[in-house]
Formats: sequence, structure tokens, C-alpha cells
Amino acid sequence: NAGVTQTPKFRVLKTGQSMTLLCAQDMNHEYMYWYRQDPGMGLRLIHYSVGEGTTAKGEVPDGYNVSRLKKQNFLLGLESAAPSQTSVYFCASSYLRNEKLFFGSGTQLSVL
Amino acid sequence: AQSVAQPEDQVNVAEGNPLTVKCTYSVSGNPYLFWYVQYPNRGLQFLLKYITGDNLVKGSYGFEAEFNKSQTSFHLKKPSALVSDSALYFCAAFSGSARQLTFGSGTQLTVLP
Repeated sequence: NAGVTQTPKFRVLKTGQSMTLLCAQDMNHEYMYWYRQDPGMGLRLIHYSVGEGTTAKGEVPDGYNVSRLKKQNFLLGLESAAPSQTSVYFCASSYLRNEKLFFGSGTQLSVL
Repeated sequence: AQSVAQPEDQVNVAEGNPLTVKCTYSVSGNPYLFWYVQYPNRGLQFLLKYITGDNLVKGSYGFEAEFNKSQTSFHLKKPSALVSDSALYFCAAFSGSARQLTFGSGTQLTVLP
């Protein structure tokens, strides 16, 4: 099993550009999450999904959109990138809400 | 609102000595508590969790954590540190009524040879 796979691993954007981060999991998990990691701030939840076709806002949703058209995929979109969105982005999934999370290896995004 | 505090940004310990990484939490109701570890340029990996039962929880790689309800703490411990334990450690918590997991800010553990 591959677990949780994120693409791309690195990306540099100019302010105002758009992009989509893809997360795929092969564990048949219902719950999927997008986090951002910034120095000294731990992980902050951007959006999450409790099943195919559902999405919900997390702690820091502004400037991001998500979609979960298929159970195994969770997409994170930036419509108009800003320097404040420079961060490391992690996707995670879990079978139940209170079970352990499985994380992808992360996407390093720089917005210039 | 939920919160998790890791009061130490950095912990240094000599190889072979015991280590402790501190965590305190604030959640309403009974807590679900987790520890994760992050190695450089990698995603987080699950170490252990507390839901209910014994206050001492054993996890991966010889780590354990002690749940203390009166002090609202969930400190991570290991009897004898290894250089390979050097990594970033995150504590996380939520209550049964919460919609999301809250992470602490992380503690960088360095084990010195």
C-alpha cells in the first residue's frame, strides 16, 4: 500500500497564480484533511472531509477551496495565491474521527 | 475552545538518558490525546494515543506517555534516548464533541551522542 500520496512535492508560484494540490489515499478512509505547517505554529487545519462529496472548513480556510469528488482523492485549491500562503502543506486521512491520522510527505509551496 | 500547549520549543538530552517532552491540554469533556513524530522532510507519524483506560500508554519505538487528568497533562517519555530519536514531536488533542484535532506547536528533541 502506498498510504497517502501528495503531489507535487515542491512548487513556486507568483502572487495571483492558481494551483491545485492533489492528495490520494488507498486505505479506504472516510476522513481526509488538509493542514498547513508553519514554524512555531504547529499544524493548522485548513479544510476537511468526512466522506465522498462532503467538505467542511477548518481553522484557517480563507483563500483555499477543496473538493472530494471521489472517496480516495481530496484536492486543495488556491485560486489567487498570496505570499502568506507560503507554507508546507500536509494531507492526512483516517478511518474514524478519533483514530490516528496517516500523513502524506508534504508539499513545500513558496509564493513570491 | 480546545488548546494544546508544548511549553518547550527545544529539548536536549544525552544518549542513554531518560527523556520527557511535555504537553498540556484544554478540552471540554473527556480527551482523546495523541503524540506524533516528524523526521526532516517527512510527514508526521503516529506514536501513541490515549482514549480511556490505563494512564500509562505504550507506543512505538519504546515511547510511552502518562495521562494526568488533574494536571491536564500528557507527557511523552522514554527511559533511554537514542540519537535516532532526534526529531520534531507534536502533541494533539480533541474531545468527543469536537470536530477537529488540535495540535501543539511542536518540540524539537535533540539527542546528543
